[in-house]
Amino acid sequence: NAGVTQTPKFRVLKTGQSMTLLCAQDMNHEYMYWYRQDPGMGLRLIHYSVGEGTTAKGEVPDGYNVSRLKKQNFLLGLESAAPSQTSVYFCASSWRPGTVYGYTFGSGTRLTVV
Amino acid sequence: ELKVEQNPLFLSMQEGKNYTIYCNYSTTSDRLYWYRQDPGKSLESLFVLLSNGAVKQEGRLMASLDTKARLSTLHITAAVHDLSATYFCAVDNYGGSQGNLIFGKGTKLSVKP
Repeated sequence: NAGVTQTPKFRVLKTGQSMTLLCAQDMNHEYMYWYRQDPGMGLRLIHYSVGEGTTAKGEVPDGYNVSRLKKQNFLLGLESAAPSQTSVYFCASSWRPGTVYGYTFGSGTRLTVV
Repeated sequence: ELKVEQNPLFLSMQEGKNYTIYCNYSTTSDRLYWYRQDPGKSLESLFVLLSNGAVKQEGRLMASLDTKARLSTLHITAAVHDLSATYFCAVDNYGGSQGNLIFGKGTKLSVKP
């Protein structure tokens, strides 16, 4: 009954370092999303994927890259971290957007860039 | 561009009182979700509203959707402390092939004795 699992849960990076956030879902969902949450801003879409091997940009994609090599995994990469990327990152997946099935969210990754 | 506005952004209530949170959005959509978030936690799905006139109720919370007015409301009846959390509405931008949620900024609710 895992649902959407994000790793790591917490991370502190120095400016300029790189890292990858992993999102894994076991529900066979086609659609996966990466959001960031900043105080007072709600959640904003970074990148998304509509199936294995596909990715697309969302509202705030700059400074991030993504890959979806396997259907169950969606990776978010920061090549050269900046303090502006300090945020809480949420992954979500959906079997069929726009339906009662909705979206399932992971527990989040709290990233601090110093 | 789809935009979602919630108000109020902060709400301090006394236990036992009623109040309504409003969610306005800018373009046509008939798919709207309400989520609850406790501090440091993920988003918990509260309601899924999928058509004009949809009304859902769970305990002291009731959500409705008016697609013609592009408005959803989350009504709180006889608030209790356990309802203290941040509430988000999100509109499903499911047109085309991708689908994704456009979130409001959230309403931070504090229920005081």
